[in-house]
Amino acid sequence: QKEVEQDPGPLSVPEGAIVSLNCTYSNSAFQYFMWYRQYSRKGPELLMYTYSSGNKEDGRFTAQVDKSSKYISLFIRDSQPSDSATYLCAMSDGTGRRALTFGSGTRLQVQP
Amino acid sequence: NAGVTQTPKFQVLKTGQSMTLQCAQDMNHNSMYWYRQDPGMGLRLIYYSASEGTTDKGEVPNGYNVSRLNKREFSLRLESAAPSQTSVYFCASSELTSWGNYGYTFGSGTRLTVV
Repeated sequence: QKEVEQDPGPLSVPEGAIVSLNCTYSNSAFQYFMWYRQYSRKGPELLMYTYSSGNKEDGRFTAQVDKSSKYISLFIRDSQPSDSATYLCAMSDGTGRRALTFGSGTRLQVQP
Repeated sequence: NAGVTQTPKFQVLKTGQSMTLQCAQDMNHNSMYWYRQDPGMGLRLIYYSASEGTTDKGEVPNGYNVSRLNKREFSLRLESAAPSQTSVYFCASSELTSWGNYGYTFGSGTRLTVV
């Protein structure tokens, strides 16, 4: 069983929709949670990171963490065609002794 | 603003050939990583280097070797390429904060095909 499971998609939504992207994890040592965005034929780039359970908002993006359920989400409000990309969740135990563990990514397409 | 630079961007190899993928970062980061990305598999860690002079195996190290040449450069070598090594390879770097690594900076990738 993978330590991090992510809905593979692809997910296709109309412009302006609210998008929900999700990951579950099994390792309770994970303490820090990140979302990376990867455009086609590019390397991933850090979008958001969070530590505590609850919500963190940054513009149209909200990261949500529920450590008790081992479940994290990324919400995108008022989605735009420019949001079309693959979104990867990533997790860290915070010690620095392990590299990040990534989900397999969800491909999102926002239709104009 | 170079960040992480990978060379080459594309490569086609014949089975059994060897090659070295180069990676250099100009952000003075201590940690560097090599990942491969395959459809449906996400990013899988091949090797990483927590600091200059150290390297450790990741999830899928078989068939690869690495060299942390100095703080800036981290190379990945395929000694005898196999079709199963056809993939997109990403190098990344990060700085260790008080609570671990999180803000990886990735290169743009090397697309390798082994025929």
